[in-house]
Amino acid sequence: QSALTQPPSASGSPGQSVTISCSAASSDVGGNGYVSWYQQHPGKAPKLIIYEIKKRPSGVPDRFSGSKSGNTASLTVSGLQGEDEADYYCSSFTARNNRVVFGGGTKLTVL
Amino acid sequence: QAQLVESGGGLVKPGGSLRLSCSSSGFTFSEYYMNWIRQAPGKGLEWISCISSTSRYIDYTDSVKGRFTISRDDAKNTLYLQMNGLRADDTAIYYCARDGQRYYDTKRFDVWGQGALVTVSS
Repeated sequence: QSALTQPPSASGSPGQSVTISCSAASSDVGGNGYVSWYQQHPGKAPKLIIYEIKKRPSGVPDRFSGSKSGNTASLTVSGLQGEDEADYYCSSFTARNNRVVFGGGTKLTVL
Repeated sequence: QAQLVESGGGLVKPGGSLRLSCSSSGFTFSEYYMNWIRQAPGKGLEWISCISSTSRYIDYTDSVKGRFTISRDDAKNTLYLQMNGLRADDTAIYYCARDGQRYYDTKRFDVWGQGALVTVSS
């Protein structure tokens, strides 16, 4: 069982906003600033879209935003587009053993 | 443009061995921590190993410790994963991934290879 819990699925219509949550089992996992989000299209490698909770790598649209409250991180995709349909994974540094854990993934469907 | 290309995947019998390679280009390989991350068919991502830019720091997830060995050859800009004692539950796509900051272990992965499929089956 993953130390990070994500909903298995989420959906929204084009133009709408959708938020995906990522809950840590303990502050040991969620209690740091090293939360990242990855987008993965079928048959492709994951792509980093958010790091350190809310920073975006160069080239990632500002429609993607991240936040964190307590032990729960969130990814919000605004102005949904068809190309946003993909699997999304959160990850966090585990301070206890200096390792990274991933959430189970959320399949985002654009209706 | 930074790029990673894995090779060496394939079909292997339980208990067998395989070595994956990850060739890099477009960045100074020696300056980055490098990682291996795998994804079982239809499943999520699992970090399995990392190696520091100097090779002094190496770590593994518990399920592969003692069976897998990560290494790097900075002269060849290549990362390796030697996998021994393979089991059916090691079946996965194996990705190499670069850490997102030079010289640091931030556990964010900003460059990924296309993946190498490893199938363990008799």
